[in-house]
Amino acid sequence: DIQMTQSPASLSASLGETVTIECLASEDIYDILAWYQQKPGKSPQLLIYDASSLHTGVPSRFSGSGSGTQYSLKINSLQPEDFASYYCQNGLSAPHTFGAGTKLELK
Amino acid sequence: QVTLKESGPGILQPSQTLSLTCTFSGFSLSTYGMGVGWIRQPSGKGLEWLANIWWDDDKYYNPSLKNRLTISKDTSNNQAFLKITNVDTADTATYYCARTGTHTMGIAFDYWGQGVMVTVSS
Repeated sequence: DIQMTQSPASLSASLGETVTIECLASEDIYDILAWYQQKPGKSPQLLIYDASSLHTGVPSRFSGSGSGTQYSLKINSLQPEDFASYYCQNGLSAPHTFGAGTKLELK
Repeated sequence: QVTLKESGPGILQPSQTLSLTCTFSGFSLSTYGMGVGWIRQPSGKGLEWLANIWWDDDKYYNPSLKNRLTISKDTSNNQAFLKITNVDTADTATYYCARTGTHTMGIAFDYWGQGVMVTVSS
């Protein structure tokens, strides 16, 4: 089974800052990786699929990159609505494991 | 407009079988490339993928739950189902169903239900 190691577990940042969240797969997942945002009490929302494709309606300050086993989610110019939890997911093969999550908090 | 909604028993006792229903609209599970997955989240914790069913009735399960999971679908009524046998307090969580489709080369859940809370307690 493919393991997904996400870092950091938590992150404190200010409005307008740029942050990066990393996700490491235990083997090559050929760019089949998704990123989700989840706010308290709400369902997760898809941000990025296939490592770098922006889902419909997602602001362009979100971007995904990476290849092989290493992937990242970058958020430029943090807005108040961006403070939430973020998860990566192996989309290549079952079990489609999620990373443990990153909680982004306002400094 | 794609929507999904989960329904379930709310509370059940240890060793019982949990039956969940996902009722969806705006797409068909008989359309090539469409799939529905089940994901759960204990309160305050992360997401756990449980199972997926595809348009061609292909099914995949999380092996960590061994043989306790069964996923199925009723294409004509736009529903997907998940059964978990022999539940334990560790199965207490919010359960989500979500759609994946042809927008991705693999799995990426682009629409999610609101989730249903399930509590296992004696």
